[in-house]
Amino acid sequence: AQSVAQPEDQVNVAEGNPLTVKCTYSVSGNPYLFWYVQYPNRGLQFLLKYITGDNLVKGSYGFEAEFNKSQTSFHLKKPSALVSDSALYFCAVLRDSGYALNFGKGTSLLVTP
Amino acid sequence: DGGITQSPKYLFRKEGQNVTLSCEQNLNHDAMYWYRQDPGQGLRLIYYSQIVNDFQKGDIAEGYSVSREKKESFPLTVTSAQKNPTAFYLCASSVTSIGEQFFGPGTRLTVL
Repeated sequence: AQSVAQPEDQVNVAEGNPLTVKCTYSVSGNPYLFWYVQYPNRGLQFLLKYITGDNLVKGSYGFEAEFNKSQTSFHLKKPSALVSDSALYFCAVLRDSGYALNFGKGTSLLVTP
Repeated sequence: DGGITQSPKYLFRKEGQNVTLSCEQNLNHDAMYWYRQDPGQGLRLIYYSQIVNDFQKGDIAEGYSVSREKKESFPLTVTSAQKNPTAFYLCASSVTSIGEQFFGPGTRLTVL
């Protein structure tokens, strides 16, 4: 079954520093991978996706993610963190059936001034 | 504005009551989904629908029911059979199953 894991419950970074939120995947076949962000008491917002093609995917709000097949990873990155980036981040993978997503448990990002 | 709306934002239920959560989208999306979110557990799939008049159970469908009579609407009923319904419920839609999902603002259900 397709699954993703987010090994860190929380990531802390100082404003202006680069940030990385980690995601590893386990799939049979080619993975369709997604990143979403959730602000408190809100729905999820789509950031970016990897379907095929370039391993570096650029998304919304200056975020990007690097697909690494040999390490089965899809880490979310941003060169310079903002306090407003503080939120809950979810990695997700398309299911074997081709319908619906399996989500990781989420990583809470805290950016301090 | 195009998007997904969920109502109500907060809902309180007494033991033994059924309640229905509304989800409407004007994005003309075929696929719609219901997820349940609990702290530290991520999102779990309750039901999904690929097209009008068709829907499938997700991972935690017991105690829930849905209908998809119209393309834009996918209401979720939480029945009295759901033993632990207190959670944050999120509805989503997508153009196709492999496309990105767009989420509504959520409904927080509390059992009194």
